[in-house]
Amino acid sequence: DVVMTQTPPSLSVAIGQSVSISCKSSQSLVASDKNTYLNWLLQSPGRSPKRLIYQVSKLDSGVPDRFSGSGSEKDFTLKISRVEAEDLGVYYCLQGTHLYTFGAGTKLELK
Amino acid sequence: EVQLVESGGGLVKPGSSLKLSCVASGFTFSSYGMHWIRQAPKKGLEWIALIYYDSSNKYYADSVKGRFTISRDNSKNTLYLEMNSLRSEDTAMYYCAKPDITTDNWFAYWGQGTLVTVSS
Repeated sequence: DVVMTQTPPSLSVAIGQSVSISCKSSQSLVASDKNTYLNWLLQSPGRSPKRLIYQVSKLDSGVPDRFSGSGSEKDFTLKISRVEAEDLGVYYCLQGTHLYTFGAGTKLELK
Repeated sequence: EVQLVESGGGLVKPGSSLKLSCVASGFTFSSYGMHWIRQAPKKGLEWIALIYYDSSNKYYADSVKGRFTISRDNSKNTLYLEMNSLRSEDTAMYYCAKPDITTDNWFAYWGQGTLVTVSS
């Protein structure tokens, strides 16, 4: 199985701050069709996970442009600019190139 | 409206077996591949199995391969997960999940989960 190493495990932020979350894969996530199947999801408290970003940097409909994804091959980053209260929860990276593997999660909390 | 309702969880001893069910409604079940995903208490998410719409292909995470079997009955709109040789590390909430093909969202819809506890 592919291993997704996600850091940090937690972040304590003030509203309005910007944060970054890293996700590193044990294998290249470039698929045979040349796409890179790396998603970012948010699990808000008591809710099912919701996809925010797919194929590294494409925002899902309705996701604010405060969220951005970047990276390639094995190294990926989620950046949240100007954190708002509704952004709190656990963020997961998820690869879908070699079956499916989640990162361990990053808990975003209020400082 | 898509609905996924899991059942079959419970408290079992190590080494025992359990079979989970996920009843689907609100969509044409027989047209979609389906997943099982689990979340251990206070831990992250772990994908564990996928079955194609017609059961032609099944895939598993290494952590459950050889012990768990995913299956489905399209006539009953039901997905199953048969779990054998259960271990304490299999303790988790188990969710079934459905994709959204139009957005290529692999886990777009989730059930509420069923809790499996493996303990002596």
